[in-house]
Amino acid sequence: NAGVTQTPKFQVLKTGQSMTLQCAQDMNHNSMYWYRQDPGMGLRLIYYSASEGTTDKGEVPNGYNVSRLNKREFSLRLESAAPSQTSVYFCASLAGGTTDTQYFGPGTRLTVL
Amino acid sequence: AQKITQTQPGMFVQEKEAVTLDCTYDTSDPSYGLFWYKQPSSGEMIFLIYQGSYDQQNATEGRYSLNFQKARKSANLVISASQLGDSAMYFCAMREAFSTKLIFGTGTRLQVFP
Repeated sequence: NAGVTQTPKFQVLKTGQSMTLQCAQDMNHNSMYWYRQDPGMGLRLIYYSASEGTTDKGEVPNGYNVSRLNKREFSLRLESAAPSQTSVYFCASLAGGTTDTQYFGPGTRLTVL
Repeated sequence: AQKITQTQPGMFVQEKEAVTLDCTYDTSDPSYGLFWYKQPSSGEMIFLIYQGSYDQQNATEGRYSLNFQKARKSANLVISASQLGDSAMYFCAMREAFSTKLIFGTGTRLQVFP
């Protein structure tokens, strides 16, 4: 039981390049999330998927797209990376119910030059 | 709109002492949950404790307790008998009952010194 896994752990891109961050969970959770963490800003929600087949925008969706490939996998794509997207990206999942907590992946540290 | 506020960017505490990390929240939903997470320097997010808005008693988990004052809309984390390994960022978060979204505060960096 690996929990929530993310790949890659580190990535350096040049401005304008594209890439996809991968996330998978093996806990049979319904909801999955992508956050970005910047110094002094806490975690901000980019996109989320309440259930397989649905996706919704969070606080800071501009410049990103997502795909809920199946119940296990939720990917985040940067079509044309910008230096402002330099951040640590966390994927999380949630089984459901008010008392359930979110389980987080280890994070991806992305630098855009 | 729901909002979480952590007003202490940084806190210092001596080993074995207790420390309180502040969190206030704002929501119009009568049913919600409050969460605290720890983020050590290694970067992972570790769930610490949960408090439901209808829970009659303050939540406790080992050395962690949550001082929940509903009328003041505060959910402070109390760490008793601090240890050097408690040095980390601490985030308060909230989720309304019919939402799957978790909203985070900006965090408090706790440093425990010998």
